[in-house]
Amino acid sequence: EDQVTQSPEALRLQEGESSSLNCSYTVSGLRGLFWYRQDPGKGPEFLFTLYSAGEEKEKERLKATLTKKESFLHITAPKPEDSATYLCAVLGSGSRLTFGEGTQLTVNP
Amino acid sequence: GAGVSQSPSNKVTEKGKDVELRCDPISGHTALYWYRQSLGQGLEFLIYFQGNSAPDKSGLPSDRFSAERTGGSVSTLTIQRTQQEDSAVYLCASSFSRNEQFFGPGTRLTVL
Repeated sequence: EDQVTQSPEALRLQEGESSSLNCSYTVSGLRGLFWYRQDPGKGPEFLFTLYSAGEEKEKERLKATLTKKESFLHITAPKPEDSATYLCAVLGSGSRLTFGEGTQLTVNP
Repeated sequence: GAGVSQSPSNKVTEKGKDVELRCDPISGHTALYWYRQSLGQGLEFLIYFQGNSAPDKSGLPSDRFSAERTGGSVSTLTIQRTQQEDSAVYLCASSFSRNEQFFGPGTRLTVL
């Protein structure tokens, strides 16, 4: 059974204070690891897909990296508008995404 | 272009009533998924449709839950004889084949 664990559950940063979110996973035959952002009352918004260890992707202040056991979402110089819940999910040999419970990020001005 | 849309955005019902939730996927997307998100919990897979293949229903929590997809496009999730534990946000997503899934805004279901 595919499993995803995200840490920390909640993270509070000051504006400009860089940090990283962790996503540890076990999956049979990784077909993709996905990062989503979810704002309160909205559906998850797609951010990145990573397919193989060593791969990195960037978008504005966010950078996602992947190893064989975990993925990191690095946030550089965050702004208050980066406040959201960040979800990690894996797609294995089956047809479903398995999600972690998310990291709730708060960036204070 | 238009994203995934869901209706209604909110639904309040009484215990024991049936409800229907609707999802309009992104045009051209062949795969459609339903998930459930309960307060403080992660997204729980419910069902997956891919083209004309038989759906993967392995995530449906009970036989009170069913879903159909008509004409390879619109999908309806039906919950019969609703229970209070069915209260959650029901999210629909679509994708082209098995690539990135794009989510709708969800339907918040409250069972009184």
